[in-house]
Amino acid sequence: DGGITQSPKYLFRKEGQNVTLSCEQNLNHDAMYWYRQDPGQGLRLIYYSQIVNDFQKGDIAEGYSVSREKKESFPLTVTSAQKNPTAFYLCASRSGGAIAKNIQYFGAGTRLSVL
Amino acid sequence: KQEVTQIPAALSVPEGENLVLNCSFTDSAIYNLQWFRQDPGKGLTSLLLIQSSQREQTSGRLNASLDKSSGRSTLYIAASQPGDSATYLCAALANAGGTSYGKLTFGQGTILTVHP
Repeated sequence: DGGITQSPKYLFRKEGQNVTLSCEQNLNHDAMYWYRQDPGQGLRLIYYSQIVNDFQKGDIAEGYSVSREKKESFPLTVTSAQKNPTAFYLCASRSGGAIAKNIQYFGAGTRLSVL
Repeated sequence: KQEVTQIPAALSVPEGENLVLNCSFTDSAIYNLQWFRQDPGKGLTSLLLIQSSQREQTSGRLNASLDKSSGRSTLYIAASQPGDSATYLCAALANAGGTSYGKLTFGQGTILTVHP
């Protein structure tokens, strides 16, 4: 089945620790995204990548880092500099072509909590 | 800066009722307007996408309209069912500062409960 796989489903971070959230897609999509969702709020963009070896900061990139070494993978690292990391993290991807027509496909999310 | 607002924040209706969810956006220079469904603790599922040149899109019991001039979109759900209970999010895709990348700006969502 084609889709986006996020792991783990639940993740706990100790103070001062870096943690990495995995996102893998087998849709052959060029663009990939990371969003953060807080309770009662919409999604906010952390980072995005339009192509392998290239990525750009979104609206709330501070305290996060990403890499895009392979087309199918876009891991997100939550660093110790992110002081309020507790949230639901969603990864998405979009195919190329006419931008007005392409929807974003989402993974099932990773819920990160601080111990 | 694009801002997207959804009203109401929550809605509870009896099964079988027709209902309307509202979405407003401040910048009309959008590529499209998308509606998503989110079940508790899950990711988002795309429901409908309306391109900026279109007025509405339909899928089954769902109909979404777009009025760019007024900065509004509505999602109409006909004959609601308990299985429709979820959070519904709208998102406007706009040009991100002259780049070829389109940025999705999300509303806060409407929590819909359909009771038997």
